[in-house]
Parts: sequence; C-alpha cells; structure tokens
Amino acid sequence: QVQLVESGGGVVQPGRSLRLSCATFGFTFSSYSMHWVRQAPGKGLEWVALISYGENNTYYADSVKGRFTISRDNSKNTLYLQMNSLTADDTAVYYCARGSCRSSNCPPDVWGQGTTVTVSS
Amino acid sequence: QSALTQPASVSGSPGQSITISCAGTSSDVGGYNYVSWYQQHPGKAPKLIIYDVSNWPSGVSNRFSGSKSGNTASLTISGLQVEDEAEYFCSSYTSSRTWVFGGGTKLTVL
Repeated sequence: QVQLVESGGGVVQPGRSLRLSCATFGFTFSSYSMHWVRQAPGKGLEWVALISYGENNTYYADSVKGRFTISRDNSKNTLYLQMNSLTADDTAVYYCARGSCRSSNCPPDVWGQGTTVTVSS
Repeated sequence: QSALTQPASVSGSPGQSITISCAGTSSDVGGYNYVSWYQQHPGKAPKLIIYDVSNWPSGVSNRFSGSKSGNTASLTISGLQVEDEAEYFCSSYTSSRTWVFGGGTKLTVL
C-alpha cells in the first residue's frame, strides 16, 4: 500500500528555518518524481516544488524560489523541504505527493495527510 | 505563475450533471495535455480524479470526465451523488516546467 507520511511541521518565528520530511512506503521511491504542495488556512492549493526521480532536477514556485530547497534521499525513501527566511505567508498545511512518473510533467497522484507549518511571533 | 481560473462555486441536485471550468493560458492549459483534477473533502488530503486531461486513475468512478478546448479545461460530474459534495481543483503543467493550480470550486449537492 502506497503511503506518504509528513513530519517536521510546527510553530516557527518569522525569519527562521524549518525542515519538513516525508517518509514513503509501498513503492519504489527512486523511480518517481516528488512534489510539495501547500494549502494556507481556508485557501486553495499552491504548488511549491518538484524534484525529479534522479535528484538532479528541481523546480520551484516563484513564491519560494531562493528560500526553499527540495531534496531527496533515495536510500532512505524520504523527501525533504528545507524552508528558510519564513514569513507569515508561508503558514499552511504542507503536503508531499508522489509524481505519477519520473519527470517534471508527472502530476501528483498519491498524497500524504500533510503537516502544519505556522509562522508567527 | 498565475493561478488557473475556476468558478468559486457550483451546485446541482442528485442525479444531475455539472461542469466545472478551468481557464488558463497557452503557457499552461493550452500548451500541454497535462491537466489534472483533484477532489478534496474538508480536512482531507486531495485525491486525484482525472489526469492528462481525460484519464482516470485506477478506482475512480467514470462519472467523472475531463476535456479541454483551447486554453480551458473542464470537469464534468454526471449522476451527482451526495458524496460528490467537495472542493475541486484543476492543475496544469507549465512552460516553466512547474505546476499551477486553480483557485478551487466548491460543489454543493442540493
């Protein structure tokens, strides 16, 4: 059974950093691209970042480019999101999601349950 | 990376059909056949219901169907059921090799 489990969320002060993790189970992690998607309270979905299966290619939304870094450890079947210089606008539930195939044009198909990040002083 | 445009809300009665539109540009919806649709119930993670404009993931009802014309994609739900009441989001691949979502459409089944 394919499963994604996010962790690392919490309350953080503006300007600080946080790293999210997404442990995956039930599929060959190294064969799939992976996404991060977020949802601010009461708002819609916002795509954040993608990493291709081979770790070499990463893509970001303009709103997080230069502040967030997506990475993966295929030996641990785990996806990460390093978030720096956080602002209140980054407050959201963060979902990790599997891409339906290897490359950047593969949509999220299986989603985790999300981890909540609150940026507040 | 402007969000795709969806109506804020639609409604229908059980058994009826409804259609939700998703308007983009030639740099996203119109340029690629990589449009997906997601269903999200309150407090739950999104669920993929259509990918690549009109394909169903395994286990998804064929009451859901997708199409595209020019820069606008559409999701049609036929034979509405009470459990279809949820929020629906479209998504598209873009020329920047990124993804963009629509603002979401709340479906009410009256």
